[in-house]
Amino acid sequence: GAVVSQHPSWVICKSGTSVKIECRSLDFQATTMFWYRQFPKQSLMLMATSNEGSKATYEQGVEKDKFLINHASLTLSTLTVTSAHPEDSSFYICSARSGTSGYTDTQYFGPGTRLTVL
Amino acid sequence: AQTVTQSQPEMSVQEAETVTLSCTYDTSENNYYLFWYKQPPSRQMILVIRQEAYKQQNATENRFSVNFQKAAKSFSLKISDSQLGDTAMYFCAFVGGRNQGGKLIFGQGTELSVKP
Repeated sequence: GAVVSQHPSWVICKSGTSVKIECRSLDFQATTMFWYRQFPKQSLMLMATSNEGSKATYEQGVEKDKFLINHASLTLSTLTVTSAHPEDSSFYICSARSGTSGYTDTQYFGPGTRLTVL
Repeated sequence: AQTVTQSQPEMSVQEAETVTLSCTYDTSENNYYLFWYKQPPSRQMILVIRQEAYKQQNATENRFSVNFQKAAKSFSLKISDSQLGDTAMYFCAFVGGRNQGGKLIFGQGTELSVKP
């Protein structure tokens, strides 16, 4: 099956700094990537949808200036948490979709990134 | 708006026994897909099974099968011959509607423990 990687798998940073998380599709071209946030024992919460070459679409309540998403190529999307604070500590997961058929295309998930802000 | 509901926050089952996880959903769409994802302690999301709404036949994948009741909007997962490695969080998910951007809508999750 298709493989999606994330880097780093775990990052610890100081409050006020920015952190970049990469999501890569290793063996397919991802026209669309999704970014999720997950708290312990809870479900995945969609943060934003990014399409290659265009601006990301953010879900209601997600701060665009806090969570910067760039989908510059068909294999790479990045999430930058700007001026991170302890409340941004969470598990961030990306998924990627190869086709353009919309809901009929399977999404493949990355292994996630654990962010801890001190 | 589409919603997915998993009413069992936690379940446990003895190794080798069968367990069924429940999921209901609400949608006005006629064409959609339903999924069960497994999230083990590693937190990697793993696709367990996928069902296309227009197919009446229930999907099966080895020990995993679903009971898809379209009229009742129910989509339960049956795990047969449970194994210790089945211990994980299980999420039911829905995707559908050409105007929804292919977004997956997840249920709250069911934490399954398989006991030796």
